[in-house]
Amino acid sequence: DQQVKQNSPSLSVQEGRISILNCDYTNSMFDYFLWYKKYPAEGPTFLISISSIKDKNEDGRFTVFLNKSAKHLSLHIVPSQPGDSAVYFCAAYGISAGGTSYGKLTFGQGTILTVHP
Amino acid sequence: KAGVTQTPRYLIKTRGQQVTLSCSPISGHRSVSWYQQTPGQGLQFLFEYFSETQRNKGNFPGRFSGRQFSNSRSEMNVSTLELGDSALYLCASSPVKGGGYTFGSGTRLTVV
Repeated sequence: DQQVKQNSPSLSVQEGRISILNCDYTNSMFDYFLWYKKYPAEGPTFLISISSIKDKNEDGRFTVFLNKSAKHLSLHIVPSQPGDSAVYFCAAYGISAGGTSYGKLTFGQGTILTVHP
Repeated sequence: KAGVTQTPRYLIKTRGQQVTLSCSPISGHRSVSWYQQTPGQGLQFLFEYFSETQRNKGNFPGRFSGRQFSNSRSEMNVSTLELGDSALYLCASSPVKGGGYTFGSGTRLTVV
């Protein structure tokens, strides 16, 4: 049962345009959602996160939108740059009554973003 | 501030052997979690340690185990290696409460 899904395996965008990466989830117990960027043979690098009590969070060129009713989140990158080319993972976790997720992030399968000069 | 350090970066082992991977978290981070990344299964949670105690465990066989030391450094061990254990093993550290997961560069394990 895949609780976090990224249905687009790849996305190709022209430099300077907007990149929109999508993610759907099924577990309504998730409290936080994160986006990571990853290069081959390296660990994921944290980009941006959003709490389930918000619907938007912005950090520079990166904006994450959360639609709780649709159980959908998206990452917008504006403007896209060739250096943004990588695999993007969305991840989610739920906070227990003790205030911790006990380390468990549930990841989507990733979307390969290619930004062409 | 040093990041999460994983050693070794690359490892080649033979089926049936065992392997130990090491992870040093960010200073002050007490939670260390481990993940396996394979092309077919993506990134999957193995287990999490906090204050030398395993608090959470994913759906992996008992051949996968770990431990955490008093300085928060963690090791994971895989016994009786199988070809399917070939993967990138990642560890992540975080502060006391959830969030802020920072990953290391991983250990690439190849089982032949």
